[in-house]
Amino acid sequence: QQQVKQSPQSLIVQKGGISIINCAYENTAFDYFPWYQQFPGKGPALLIAIRPDVSEKKEGRFTISFNKSAKQFSLHIMDSQPGDSATYFCAASGGSNYKLTFGKGTLLTVNP
Amino acid sequence: ETGVTQSPTHLIKTRGQQVTLRCSSQSGHNTVSWYQQALGQGPQFIFQYYREEENGRGNFPPRFSGLQFPNYSSELNVNALELDDSALYLCASSLAGEDTQYFGPGTRLTVL
Repeated sequence: QQQVKQSPQSLIVQKGGISIINCAYENTAFDYFPWYQQFPGKGPALLIAIRPDVSEKKEGRFTISFNKSAKQFSLHIMDSQPGDSATYFCAASGGSNYKLTFGKGTLLTVNP
Repeated sequence: ETGVTQSPTHLIKTRGQQVTLRCSSQSGHNTVSWYQQALGQGPQFIFQYYREEENGRGNFPPRFSGLQFPNYSSELNVNALELDDSALYLCASSLAGEDTQYFGPGTRLTVL
């Protein structure tokens, strides 16, 4: 059972455009929702994270929107740059051991 | 402050062999989690260690085992390697009681 569903699988955006990646979760015990960025051959790097008590969080060009009733959250990358080209993973955790459950990832390509 | 480090970077083994992967947690972090990332997939939680004891385990067989040492570094051991064990193995460190996990660069294991 996939507990975190991520879409789209791949995304192509022009430089300066907005990239939007969506995730949906099933487990209502989840209470922490991070996004990670991963470049080829590297480990995932934490971008931004949100908790269910807020509906939006912004850090620089990255914004998370959170809809608790729909059990959905999304990552918006404003003014997308070629250097943003990477694989993005949403994740969720909740409970005593804080294990992260990841989506399958979105390969973002930003064309110059 | 030093980040999470892992060794070795790459490893090639044959089916049936045993392997040990190592992880040094970020300075001040006392909890280590291990994840397996198959090609084109999101990381899958293997287990977490806190105070030198396993604190939660994912859906992995007993031939996956681990250790945590007093300095919070950790090892992942895999016995009786199978072809499907080929993956990027990621270590993440965190502070007990906090959700945020920081990942190392990973060890790429290839089983022939």
